[in-house]
Amino acid sequence: AQKITQTQPGMFVQEKEAVTLDCTYDTSDQSYGLFWYKQPSSGEMIFLIYQGSYDEQNATEGRYSLNFQKARKSANLVISASQLGDSAMYFCAMREGRKGDTGRRALTFGSGTRLQVQP
Amino acid sequence: DTGVSQDPRHKITKRGQNVTFRCDPISEHNRLYWYRQTLGQGPEFLTYFQNEAQLEKSRLLSDRFSAERPKGSFSTLEIQRTEQGDSAMYLCASSVTRGGKPYEQYFGPGTRLTVT
Repeated sequence: AQKITQTQPGMFVQEKEAVTLDCTYDTSDQSYGLFWYKQPSSGEMIFLIYQGSYDEQNATEGRYSLNFQKARKSANLVISASQLGDSAMYFCAMREGRKGDTGRRALTFGSGTRLQVQP
Repeated sequence: DTGVSQDPRHKITKRGQNVTFRCDPISEHNRLYWYRQTLGQGPEFLTYFQNEAQLEKSRLLSDRFSAERPKGSFSTLEIQRTEQGDSAMYLCASSVTRGGKPYEQYFGPGTRLTVT
């Protein structure tokens, strides 16, 4: 089974509108972390936002917020007031394992969603 | 520039040749990761170092692949007897165990390998 599923290969949004990028995950660990990264055409992965499994509040970072629904195992990224520079690939990722574990520090990534912001 | 750097940015090689990539992490970061990304996919984990110790290796890392991190600073990833299926972007990332956002990994610009 896929550990990270991003069901939207591509999304379009009008400039200044909000957009939600979907992500569902699968893990049996109680402690895990969820990440969103942006990858512009230049190729570099840019960290956007992090949500810990024990965090009670949804994470927010500027125009980015993470809609974390633990029971549904979803961690959707919401981008408010889209800008042309937001056009990029967006990847959801998960790190499993308890704090203090020396292993399993790797991130497991989904297949990504290509977002195109239209003027 | 104080981010993660990778060298070279692009490498074209013939099948059967050996290639070596270098990654310089952010200076205070003690953890270093290698990932591989093929076209249209998310990055896939290859291996992970904490300081100079290689603590985890993916099954993707065949015996033709070897990674080192001498003295816990920069890291090298070598691929021996390259195959066309090795063509991909090789990404390096680093993170720190204290301070900053927990478990956040900072990525370098990647090395794009093309095997002809």
